[in-house]
Amino acid sequence: SAVISQKPSRDICQRGTSLTIQCQVDSQVTMMFWYRQQPGQSLTLIATANQGSEATYESGFVIDKFPISRPNLTFSTLTVSNMSPEDSSIYLCSARTGGTEAFFGQGTRLTVV
Amino acid sequence: GQQVMQIPQYQHVQEGEDFTTYCNSSTTLSNIQWYKQRPGGHPVFLIQLVKSGEVKKQKRLTFQFGEAKKNSSLHITATQTTDVGTYFCGGAGSYQLTFGKGTKLSVIP
Repeated sequence: SAVISQKPSRDICQRGTSLTIQCQVDSQVTMMFWYRQQPGQSLTLIATANQGSEATYESGFVIDKFPISRPNLTFSTLTVSNMSPEDSSIYLCSARTGGTEAFFGQGTRLTVV
Repeated sequence: GQQVMQIPQYQHVQEGEDFTTYCNSSTTLSNIQWYKQRPGGHPVFLIQLVKSGEVKKQKRLTFQFGEAKKNSSLHITATQTTDVGTYFCGGAGSYQLTFGKGTKLSVIP
């Protein structure tokens, strides 16, 4: 199993600013992912964080808005850039190795005012 | 791309009643996984089904994987208030999971 530490757990940010969310896994994992989830809603995949190369973004998400880093097999960051109230959501990181189960961080509840 | 449909979106049951959520994929899956997310929490893995027609049980929870490996179900017998939460299925393709929209279960004591 893997334990994921995600921070911050919540933040309130001014529109136009950026927030970087960090995700630390306690073991090396093959794949790391970033999701967005409106409270009570489904999980929407933002991108796959690739170690040593650019992230793979899903339709509707772009690197300029959501830059992602993954410098090694245990750590990744997601930045929400130039925020607007529409970016208010819960952001979750997830990790998997091979075809195994996915582990999730505790989530970051972001409010943009 | 792969799509995973999950129904119902919401289910309200009296404590002690049974509950079932269904998951259907547009493509054949290598495996399917089920997760539970408690209110205010993050998704937590419940089980993975790999084989065609597979049935697994965890106490009051029964998971099934269809013969064609395109559909799955989760059945809870005699629900309890501790079962409250949203249940997601995740269809595994090449490397990423495609989640259904989830079924939010409310249990009335």
